Amino acid sequence: QVQLQESGPGLVKPSETLSLTCTVSGGSISSYYWSWIRQPAGKGLEWIGRIYTSGSTNYNPSLKSRVTMSVDTSKNQFSLKLSSVTAADTAVYYCARDSRYYDILTEQWGQGTLVTVSS
Amino acid sequence: EIVLTQSPATLSLSPGERATLSCRASQSVSSYLAWYQQKPGQAPRLLIYDASNRATGIPARFSGSGSGTDFTLTISSLEPEDFAVYYCQQRSNWPGTFGPGTKVDIK
Repeated sequence: QVQLQESGPGLVKPSETLSLTCTVSGGSISSYYWSWIRQPAGKGLEWIGRIYTSGSTNYNPSLKSRVTMSVDTSKNQFSLKLSSVTAADTAVYYCARDSRYYDILTEQWGQGTLVTVSS
Repeated sequence: EIVLTQSPATLSLSPGERATLSCRASQSVSSYLAWYQQKPGQAPRLLIYDASNRATGIPARFSGSGSGTDFTLTISSLEPEDFAVYYCQQRSNWPGTFGPGTKVDIK
């Protein structure tokens, strides 16, 4: 059973860049889409974007200008960078593995990490 | 972007009762609709995909139906562990979008 673990700073200052990494264990990172999804406290879920192991990406148009995703297959990791953050970016950030057979469907999630944007 | 709405916002029921949750899409998503369960402090868990297919390990008391713009998640007899928030999600168009959720709480 694959496991995903998010890591990164829990506190980011406004206007700076949020950086998170997801480490995949118990399975290969190859041949899957890997996603980032966030959830502000007490609110719903927002798909930030996804990356294939080839490096191909799809970003949510609402965040596209600020998002960069990358993948490091040698380390079984993928990463998220979100620039120019504001308080509205405060949320629990989840990394997830998408289904191999069904597009835009997540099957396995990390536990999530809370990122607070505050000075 | 496809907008999903869910009703009711909160459903108060007792263990053993039947729960019926609704999800409506702003445009047709065919059968490309999934349901997730989320408990406090946990990540969402996939229950149903493509409207009516249970994910691996999901009990038979969970069932889904619908197509086009109107979908239903039914829990035939609520177990104590089923009290949670349920989200629908469309995978017809990128980006996948989620509904605002229905909270099923204990009456």
